[in-house]
Amino acid sequence: EVQLVESGGGLVQPGGSLRLSCAASGFTFSTYWMSWVRQAPGKGLEWVANIKQDGTDKYYVDSVRGRFTISRDNAKNSLFLQMNSLRAEDTAIYYCAREAPWNYYYDYWGQGTLVTVSS
Amino acid sequence: QSVLTQPPSVSAAPGQKVTISCSGSSSNIGNNYVSWYQRLPGTAPKLLIYDNNQRPSGIPDRFSGSKSGTSATLGITGLQTGDEADYFCGVWDSSLSVRVFGGGTKLTVL
Repeated sequence: EVQLVESGGGLVQPGGSLRLSCAASGFTFSTYWMSWVRQAPGKGLEWVANIKQDGTDKYYVDSVRGRFTISRDNAKNSLFLQMNSLRAEDTAIYYCAREAPWNYYYDYWGQGTLVTVSS
Repeated sequence: QSVLTQPPSVSAAPGQKVTISCSGSSSNIGNNYVSWYQRLPGTAPKLLIYDNNQRPSGIPDRFSGSKSGTSATLGITGLQTGDEADYFCGVWDSSLSVRVFGGGTKLTVL
């Protein structure tokens, strides 16, 4: 059974940092692109970043580029999101999601971890 | 404001049918495949429909997807109280070069 379990969320002050983790199991992690997707309060889902199977290619939404860094450790079946210079508008539930090999959909998601940026 | 437009809420009685719309443009729905996701309260989102109208293994045929032009529709028949959830549409946007989603629709089964 495919499982994605996020952790690392919490309350942080504006300008602070957090590192999110996603533990993957039940599939060959190293063969899939992975994404972080977030949902801010009262808003829809927003793709944040994704990373290629071997970690060589990484992409970000404009609003986080330069502040967030996506990475992965295939030996530990783990995905990460390092979030720096956090802003109030980064407050959201952050989901780890597995990308299907074609046609841009997500076939598995984690349950999410809440990040709150507030003083 | 989400790139794709969904109604904030829909409701119907148990056993009835409901449809949820997802409106976009030629740069997204009009030329790419649509997927639909269900998020039950407190749980991980689950893939319901991919490639406009395909159901993953284990998704009952009460759930269906369709697309016409720049709009897509999720249909749910034989509504059950367990279907109460948030539903999201998603698609690749060729102009923005990112995956985009709708704002989500809350389904209430009265």
